[in-house]
Amino acid sequence: AQTVTQSQPEMSVQEAETVTLSCTYDTSESDYYLFWYKQPPSRQMILVIRQEAYKQQNATENRFSVNFQKAAKSFSLKISDSQLGDAAMYFCAYRSPYSGGGADGLTFGKGTHLIIQP
Amino acid sequence: DTAVSQTPKYLVTQMGNDKSIKCEQNLGHDTMYWYKQDSKKFLKIMFSYNNKELIINETVPNRFSPKSPDKAHLNLHINSLELGDSAVYFCASSQDEDGWTQYFGPGTRLTVL
Repeated sequence: AQTVTQSQPEMSVQEAETVTLSCTYDTSESDYYLFWYKQPPSRQMILVIRQEAYKQQNATENRFSVNFQKAAKSFSLKISDSQLGDAAMYFCAYRSPYSGGGADGLTFGKGTHLIIQP
Repeated sequence: DTAVSQTPKYLVTQMGNDKSIKCEQNLGHDTMYWYKQDSKKFLKIMFSYNNKELIINETVPNRFSPKSPDKAHLNLHINSLELGDSAVYFCASSQDEDGWTQYFGPGTRLTVL
């Protein structure tokens, strides 16, 4: 079974600075999907960014980018120019494309609570 | 227009009661899911449902049962509620052409007294 580890329970960054959230995972599969989700105090789960393992190029979405190191099984999230609205829990998640015809869920890490200091 | 909706958003009930949470998605997705988020914010898959195929996480008690009247709906029924069932329950949906990206509902906070 796959596991996802987020080693930073909490991170703090000054507004406008850059912060990197860590995520490592364990799998024996060669193809898979990785995600970062954001959960603000509103509780809504919001997709931040997605990476397909077969793509070597790191995904980017505006101020959010990932550093995907397949051999190291690492998938960190970099947030540039941090804004107050970025304050939230951030979850790293893994998804296998193979099992159950796709009817399988995401495996989540335990989350990192990101605090933005004004 | 909400993509994935859940009702109710809050549910407070007594131990031993039976309750349901409804979920609807208007994204045309083939697969729907239920997740449980515990008090430490840990999210865990409970069920996935695709083309009438149900995959159950083996750790989920059989007091929990999903019911899908059609492709756009996946409701969660819980019998004989226990204190430990208190959590936030999220519904989600996905489509394989979209890289299995899951879109979540707003969550239902269940409190069992």
